[in-house]
Amino acid sequence: EVELVESGGALVQPGGSLRLSCAASGFTFSDHAMHWVRQAPGRGLQYISGISSRAAGTYYAESVRGRFTISRDNSENTLYLQMDSLRIEDTGVYYCAREVGAKNIFDVWGHGTSVTVSS
Amino acid sequence: SYELTQPPSVSVSPGHTARITCSGDALPKRYVFWYQQRSGQAPMLVIYEDKKRPSGIPERFSGSSSGTMATLTVSGAQVEDEADYYCFSTDIDGDYRLFGGGTKLTVL
Repeated sequence: EVELVESGGALVQPGGSLRLSCAASGFTFSDHAMHWVRQAPGRGLQYISGISSRAAGTYYAESVRGRFTISRDNSENTLYLQMDSLRIEDTGVYYCAREVGAKNIFDVWGHGTSVTVSS
Repeated sequence: SYELTQPPSVSVSPGHTARITCSGDALPKRYVFWYQQRSGQAPMLVIYEDKKRPSGIPERFSGSSSGTMATLTVSGAQVEDEADYYCFSTDIDGDYRLFGGGTKLTVL
């Protein structure tokens, strides 16, 4: 079964750091670009970061550029999101998603991990 | 910055047709994707590349795009279709990925 499972969400103070993980199974992880999408409480989806299949290219939304770092370990079938200098507005549920065919088709999503930034 | 605009809410009676729009200046050149998000669940792809339906998605879901507006149509809406729907696309250069603000579809 194709599956993505996020972990690492927690309560953290403003200015703190957190690393999210997304464990992939049931497919050839290294064949797919991967992405992170977040959702603030009661708000819509926000695309925040993506990484190509072999990690040659990365992308960040303006709101997280310079603070977040996306990476992947294809030998461990795991996607990461290192989040530094966290702000209250980074609070939300973080989803990882698989892209199909380098066509912006996000066909598999995890169930999300919750990040709360609060003092 | 580039934006995709959706109506905040759409209501439809069961068995009737609901249409959710998404407007953006780059849509004549860029594909639109539609995601359904039921309450408390992860998003799910229901339409890709303007009008293609992934396997397992009911035929009552269809998509179209003309000019700067894309439309998701739910023909014969069912109670289980009640959810938030988000369009997704990129800017004209294909570098900036974004979601629309989302539309809450109410079926009652």
